[in-house]
Amino acid sequence: DAGVIQSPRHEVTEMGQEVTLRCKPISGHNSLFWYRQTMMRGLELLIYFNNNVPIDDSGMPEDRFSAKMPNASFSTLKIQPSEPRDSAVYFCASSLGSVPNYSPLHFGNGTRLTVT
Amino acid sequence: KQEVTQIPAALSVPEGENLVLNCSFTDSAIYNLQWFRQDPGKGLTSLLLIQSSQREQTSGRLNASLDKSSGRSTLYIAASQPGDSATYLCAVIYTGTASKLTFGTGTRLQVTL
Repeated sequence: DAGVIQSPRHEVTEMGQEVTLRCKPISGHNSLFWYRQTMMRGLELLIYFNNNVPIDDSGMPEDRFSAKMPNASFSTLKIQPSEPRDSAVYFCASSLGSVPNYSPLHFGNGTRLTVT
Repeated sequence: KQEVTQIPAALSVPEGENLVLNCSFTDSAIYNLQWFRQDPGKGLTSLLLIQSSQREQTSGRLNASLDKSSGRSTLYIAASQPGDSATYLCAVIYTGTASKLTFGTGTRLQVTL
């Protein structure tokens, strides 16, 4: 099992540019999560998919952020246009299960985004 | 507001010492509680998951307890080792929030030689 795979590991971009983060969940997992981690705010849930369908996107900061899950093995998080305050580590995580029985959450190693 | 709090924010102990990390949550209506470990520059690794119907879980030198009525969980680490140095986070899924994990801010543990 390769675990949750995220790419790229690091992304440095200029303000106003489009950024696309990618995630491959663990095979067989039916829930996928995008989190953002900063020193100031800790870990924040951005969006949650179950069976490829977005269930809760209330954490998406604003319309500049969008996420898709076209199939069970791939998801993207896009920021357009990017701003310096978007600089953070973005994590993708996956798990098997649904309410109320969940398996442990498995995280990728994250994408460190720096917007200058 | 449904929150998770971890105290202390940082802890330094000598190798071999037993230690306890604390986690508190504001609402007893939870599905489960998880403890994670995060190493610098890495993602989170799940250590233990306690379902709401359970009181504790054990894995090796780790033991996590859950007391829903008091809104508390503890992570006990026995015979600490330098390799245990990391940030430990607890997270709760509150009922009515689908699968949303609410994270604490973590306890940064350093085990010294």
